[in-house]
Amino acid sequence: DGGITQSPKYLFRKEGQNVTLSCEQNLNHDAMYWYRQDPGQGLRLIYYSQIVNDFQKGDIAEGYSVSREKKESFPLTVTSAQKNPTAFYLCASRSFPDREQYFGPGTRLTVT
Amino acid sequence: QQQVKQSPQSLIVQKGGISIINCAYENTAFDYFPWYQQFPGKGPALLIAIRPDVSEKKEGRFTISFNKSAKQFSLHIMDSQPGDSATYFCAASNMGNNNDMRFGAGTRLTVKP
Repeated sequence: DGGITQSPKYLFRKEGQNVTLSCEQNLNHDAMYWYRQDPGQGLRLIYYSQIVNDFQKGDIAEGYSVSREKKESFPLTVTSAQKNPTAFYLCASRSFPDREQYFGPGTRLTVT
Repeated sequence: QQQVKQSPQSLIVQKGGISIINCAYENTAFDYFPWYQQFPGKGPALLIAIRPDVSEKKEGRFTISFNKSAKQFSLHIMDSQPGDSATYFCAASNMGNNNDMRFGAGTRLTVKP
């Protein structure tokens, strides 16, 4: 059963706490991406990684951090520096040279 | 800056009707234009995609029309069904820029029975 898994589906945190969102893929895809989705807006790129141990900032990287220690895994940490962290977070992956990005089911993070 | 502009924001269509969603882009370096379908609480799923060397691509009830000179592309859903009710996103990417994909703001489609 191949695909992209994100856990947990719902996450609640208090303001000031760091939180890590999980993204795992068993598709043997090279590149992985993190997007943020807010109501009425398109997906905005937070970070992406094309190979293990390398990643690049997207448009809204401030307040977030990532790691890519394994090809299959690309966890996202939402730090306390992120001003408005409540959102729906989507992980995606892609296999070179294909252009399609495949998305996971998402994690809804609520910070109060 | 919004590089892909999508309209309308929401759309209501009767069952059996045609749903049309439009997108316009600015960056002429974009060379891949996918459409994604997203149901509430789920991740987007690729629906259909087109490259700029063709003007139209059809897959079942879904058709992309592409106008390179106008920098516009649209999704047509023929014989719309209540099960098509979802949010649709257009996107554009540039292979030369690490496949950096830019998304439209989304269109919430409701198909009434």
